[in-house]
Amino acid sequence: EDKVVQSPLSLVVHEGDTVTLNCSYEVTNFRSLLWYKQEKKAPTFLFMLTSSGIEKKSGRLSSILDKKELFSILNITATQTGDSAIYLCAVSPGGGSNYKLTFGKGTLLTVNP
Amino acid sequence: NAGVMQNPRHLVRRRGQEARLRCSPMKGHSHVYWYRQLPEEGLKFMVYLQKENIIDESGMPKERFSAEFPKEGPSILRIQQVVRGDSAAYFCASSPLGQGTQETQYFGPGTRLLVL
Repeated sequence: EDKVVQSPLSLVVHEGDTVTLNCSYEVTNFRSLLWYKQEKKAPTFLFMLTSSGIEKKSGRLSSILDKKELFSILNITATQTGDSAIYLCAVSPGGGSNYKLTFGKGTLLTVNP
Repeated sequence: NAGVMQNPRHLVRRRGQEARLRCSPMKGHSHVYWYRQLPEEGLKFMVYLQKENIIDESGMPKERFSAEFPKEGPSILRIQQVVRGDSAAYFCASSPLGQGTQETQYFGPGTRLLVL
């Protein structure tokens, strides 16, 4: 069974800090890894990573994938209170079932002013 | 462009009643997925539908649960004779038509089901 483990489970920082969220995975046939931000409403899509070593960046958020070591990190620099959310990591398998995402339990990030 | 819509946002049912959860995909999206999030757990895939077709229901319990996506109208996830263990957040997601796009899923706000 495919498995995604995120760490830490929760994290409390002050505004302006930089945080690194971790996601490790075991999947029979890997296709892609996705990051989502979940606030009180819908999980919103952040990044999809398919290739090792290529950083994806959006503003203060960036992410990179290591397919050899089977993990990804999500970095947030100069954190703001609006970054407080649960960050979800998911993997998509290949073999025609790429829609069947397996999610981790998430990392709850709290950014204090 | 409206996102994925789900209703109701909160639903309370007594044991033995039926729960009907609705999902309207994003405009232009023809693939719908349902996920369940139990307390303290990650989202778990339940079912994948296209219009009038169930493509993969391997994650859905065999009994009491059913899903449909009719030609007209929203997708419906139906839970018959609910039990306390069905209490969870149910998320719907959609993706656009096209090869290789199914993992780029856009989620709705979820329906929180509470079974008393």
